[in-house]
Amino acid sequence: GESVGLHLPTLSVQEGDNSIINCAYSNSASDYFIWYKQESGKGPQFIIDIRSNMDKRQGQRVTVLLNKTVKHLSLQIAATQPGDSAVYFCAATPSGNTPLVFGKGTRLSVIA
Amino acid sequence: DAMVIQNPRYQVTQFGKPVTLSCSQTLNHNVMYWYQQKSSQAPKLLFHYYDKDFNNEADTPDNFQSRRPNTSFCFLDIRSPGLGDAAMYLCATSRGDSNQPQHFGDGTRLSIL
Repeated sequence: GESVGLHLPTLSVQEGDNSIINCAYSNSASDYFIWYKQESGKGPQFIIDIRSNMDKRQGQRVTVLLNKTVKHLSLQIAATQPGDSAVYFCAATPSGNTPLVFGKGTRLSVIA
Repeated sequence: DAMVIQNPRYQVTQFGKPVTLSCSQTLNHNVMYWYQQKSSQAPKLLFHYYDKDFNNEADTPDNFQSRRPNTSFCFLDIRSPGLGDAAMYLCATSRGDSNQPQHFGDGTRLSIL
């Protein structure tokens, strides 16, 4: 099976700084990874995904890095804003249509 | 906008009294999922439907059932809610092909009196 874990349960950053949230996974067969953002009282919101044939993918102010050698995934948020305050989950799927396995979540707090 | 809609947003029921939570989608996705999320925890998959095929997670209690009458709707039935079933219940959908993101509704927060 797959287990997914986040390295830090909480992260505080100054507004305008860059944030890095890390995640580790256990199954080397995992081939699809997603980062979700969950604000209080809302469902998880898709941020960015990456397939195992890539090691980096960029979106608007966000970058996901995948290191398959050490089974590590990170989410980088550039110029962090107060609106980025939320819980961030990484998720992985072992293969094909198998449902996602979620990590425990990191709460990001942005200090104005 | 295409979306996943959960009703109601808040549901209160009594201990042991059956309750049904609803989910609808306008995305025309093949797969629908139900998750349970407790405070400060990750979503925990209860079951999912691939079209009409029902897939139950091994550790989902028998107290939890689901119905999917058509592509757009999916229901979560809790037959005899206990205090431990108080949680946020999230519905999600995805396309049926490989490596597709799940799209979540905003959940129903269930309270048990």
